[in-house]
Amino acid sequence: DAKTTQPNSMESNEEEPVHLPCNHSTISGTDYIHWYRQLPSQGPEYVIHGLTSNVNNRMASLAIAEDRKSSTLILHRATLRDAAVYYCILRDRENRDDKIIFGKGTRLHILP
Amino acid sequence: GAVVSQHPSWVICKSGTSVKIECRSLDFQATTMFWYRQFPKQSLMLMATSNEGSKATYEQGVEKDKFLINHASLTLSTLTVTSAHPEDSSFYICSATISGRLSYNEQFFGPGTRLTVL
Repeated sequence: DAKTTQPNSMESNEEEPVHLPCNHSTISGTDYIHWYRQLPSQGPEYVIHGLTSNVNNRMASLAIAEDRKSSTLILHRATLRDAAVYYCILRDRENRDDKIIFGKGTRLHILP
Repeated sequence: GAVVSQHPSWVICKSGTSVKIECRSLDFQATTMFWYRQFPKQSLMLMATSNEGSKATYEQGVEKDKFLINHASLTLSTLTVTSAHPEDSSFYICSATISGRLSYNEQFFGPGTRLTVL
């Protein structure tokens, strides 16, 4: 599986934007970039995904580098409820039954 | 979105007993279900992949005789931790996929079951 690299932890102030980076230099042409997050004592939840173009949804935005070797998850206005571990994961669109292998993710701390 | 439930949400048991954890897809049929384990401050570790009506596929290092998985229907998978010991204490999470609807298989996660073995 193509691997991703994320910082272990990040801090941000409440109500400010947060940019969570992810490097995936060995990404293949058929890999989608997915982001999940895990709030304390809960199962992971889907945040956003993309292939080549930048994506926006109600939770976040995903900025994908032109060469696709890195991406950034953007939380436009962080709240205390956004404190979680964020996982950047590559999923092969041609392998419909592929399992998700979680890396260590980035633990995001939000300061009030 | 699709909902996955787990039961129980937490369980405390004595060493040597067996514990069954249920994972249900509430409003969709799941072709495939996955079981993960997570120790404190660590990431999720995939234990096994389960398809309805067939034997589960276990990840390397996971004992299939200790962690019995039964995927009896398209909405229910169970994980039984047999002869549990304190080192089996962990947060167990299941997930389920809906195939065919999108260009990739969305995976929906349950809320997790916290197992404590005394």
